[in-house]
Amino acid sequence: DTAVSQTPKYLVTQMGNDKSIKCEQNLGHDTMYWYKQDSKKFLKIMFSYNNKELIINETVPNRFSPKSPDKAHLNLHINSLELGDSAVYFCASSQYRRGQPQHFGDGTRLSIL
Amino acid sequence: SQQGEEDPQALSIQEGENATMNCSYKTSINNLQWYRQNSGRGLVHLILIRSNEREKHSGRLRVTLDTSKKSSSLLITASRAADTASYFCATDQGGSEKLVFGKGTKLTVNP
Repeated sequence: DTAVSQTPKYLVTQMGNDKSIKCEQNLGHDTMYWYKQDSKKFLKIMFSYNNKELIINETVPNRFSPKSPDKAHLNLHINSLELGDSAVYFCASSQYRRGQPQHFGDGTRLSIL
Repeated sequence: SQQGEEDPQALSIQEGENATMNCSYKTSINNLQWYRQNSGRGLVHLILIRSNEREKHSGRLRVTLDTSKKSSSLLITASRAADTASYFCATDQGGSEKLVFGKGTKLTVNP
């Protein structure tokens, strides 16, 4: 069974559209994350939720809105997509204790036409 | 700002050789982690070393940490073609829950 699963794996859409990415983890973790990896492989944290509460909110355009319906799910909704949003978005989860390893999904490759 | 910087950016070796990757960081840390990313996949946690540790082993992996130089190294011994991947270091920023990743080293192991 996949521990952290993201859907869809690929997302190709037009500029200006709104899209969502879903993430689910079955590891029993209480903390989930969204990362953005650019074309140069640089990975940057965007958001983190602990038990459905937002604990990390980096400088991200407010077109990006995370939502955690429960601690096993974290979705990312993006409004008015721009060319610069093209990237691979990774979901991850961990236990909320310092130094815990994070478990990553296989990413969603978002391409804006 | 970016915390970890890996060096080299790319490394190509023959199967059976050892591979060494380095990571430097800028602020104090509580722990440093290494991750592997295969092409088209998510990151996989390899090993964590705490700030009060100097060396740690896991199978063919050996990690060292020098907090005075703010640097860490990852050594993969007796490399295999399956070790071909990008390797990232990640640090917490003085106890923050946030992990900051470096740009990674792309390792190619030629059979």
